[in-house]
Amino acid sequence: ETGVTQSPTHLIKTRGQQVTLRCSSQSGHNTVSWYQQALGQGPQFIFQYYREEENGRGNFPPRFSGLQFPNYSSELNVNALELDDSALYLCASSLASGNPKEAFFGQGTRLTVV
Amino acid sequence: DQQVKQNSPSLSVQEGRISILNCDYTNSMFDYFLWYKKYPAEGPTFLISISSIKDKNEDGRFTVFLNKSAKHLSLHIVPSQPGDSAVYFCAASGASGTYKYIFGTGTRLKVLA
Repeated sequence: ETGVTQSPTHLIKTRGQQVTLRCSSQSGHNTVSWYQQALGQGPQFIFQYYREEENGRGNFPPRFSGLQFPNYSSELNVNALELDDSALYLCASSLASGNPKEAFFGQGTRLTVV
Repeated sequence: DQQVKQNSPSLSVQEGRISILNCDYTNSMFDYFLWYKKYPAEGPTFLISISSIKDKNEDGRFTVFLNKSAKHLSLHIVPSQPGDSAVYFCAASGASGTYKYIFGTGTRLKVLA
């Protein structure tokens, strides 16, 4: 068990709706990274938050936004959902050191857009 | 454009034998490479990494080889065990101090008892 929890585990939304996914970091970790894993694909980097500030972004449109709270938990918000947003969304909690041994993934939230 | 490619979607190996998982990349700016393992209903877990200044890194049964001229890396698992059955992702980044990884599409390894 990694100590990183994501909620909800599964979610079904309708095209055009908005969704908020949550990630609770491992204690002491100040960095959260979000990934989208479409079916049959590897995880794709969405963005990273470090101490409540966005610290890098992948090739995702602005309707993907995030937030990191003072306790370092995080939210991923997606507006105007599209069918192609259906995927497993993973968050990874870490220290800013960049050592992958110190980065732990949650189990993911599976989002289905219908 | 897939910058990190794993061309074998699946691989089956007998228990005790060697498993070799391959990964190719196109971006010569990548200088740090990782392998992750993923079981169903779990997040990926870090397995082993290698920086571009090395051509081999070993950790127990797991060895990663990097061929920079061919832009190719491979993960060797010896001996393979049934518990190694999982999806393996290779990933790359432009620096060791970042989590902004580019992942491949994964290879599903099945180790047969």
